[in-house]
Amino acid sequence: QVQLVQSGAEVKKPGASVKVSCKASGYTFTSYGISWVRQAPGQGLEWMGWISAYNGNTNYAQKLQGRVTMTTDTSTSTAYMELRSLRSDDTAVYYCARDRTGDAPMNYWGQGTLVTVSS
Amino acid sequence: SYVLTQPPSVSVAPGKTARITCGGNNIGSKSVHWYQQKPGQAPVLVVYDDSDRPSGIPERFSGSNSGNTATLTISRVEAGDEADYYCQVWDSSSDLFGGGTKLTVL
Repeated sequence: QVQLVQSGAEVKKPGASVKVSCKASGYTFTSYGISWVRQAPGQGLEWMGWISAYNGNTNYAQKLQGRVTMTTDTSTSTAYMELRSLRSDDTAVYYCARDRTGDAPMNYWGQGTLVTVSS
Repeated sequence: SYVLTQPPSVSVAPGKTARITCGGNNIGSKSVHWYQQKPGQAPVLVVYDDSDRPSGIPERFSGSNSGNTATLTISRVEAGDEADYYCQVWDSSSDLFGGGTKLTVL
């Protein structure tokens, strides 16, 4: 069965960086991409960007350009999302989701990783 | 930029039909996906490509999309359907979510 298992909760100070991992299993990792979606406390879903696990191509939300980097390690079927220069409004649950590309749906999601940014 | 508009809340009695709308300019020309999210849980895909259901999703969940409005319909609503629901489309090389609708089962 398809599973996406994310790394544990993080607490970071403003200005620091965080790197969240998402380990995939149950399917051919390089046949799909991974989208990252975040959700601030009490708020809706915000798409952060997408990475192809096949060739590493990325597509980031304009709002996060320059602060976010998404990568994959095909040897371990793991995707990573690094967010730099953290601010308090980056406090959110971060999800990875399997996403083929374009207008395909996100049909499998990780369990979420809470990132808290606080001084 | 493209905007998806959902009502913040919808209330329905058990056994009745709930309709959750998602408005967007000519959204009928796009593929719309719907997600259900219960408190403390990750979103779950309940309808994709306007009206298709993933395996394991009850037939009570259906979708339609035409003109400027896409609609998620939940028939014979149960207490367990109480959740937040989000629509999602692809536009200008980005995924976009609606603001979400809280479904309350009375």
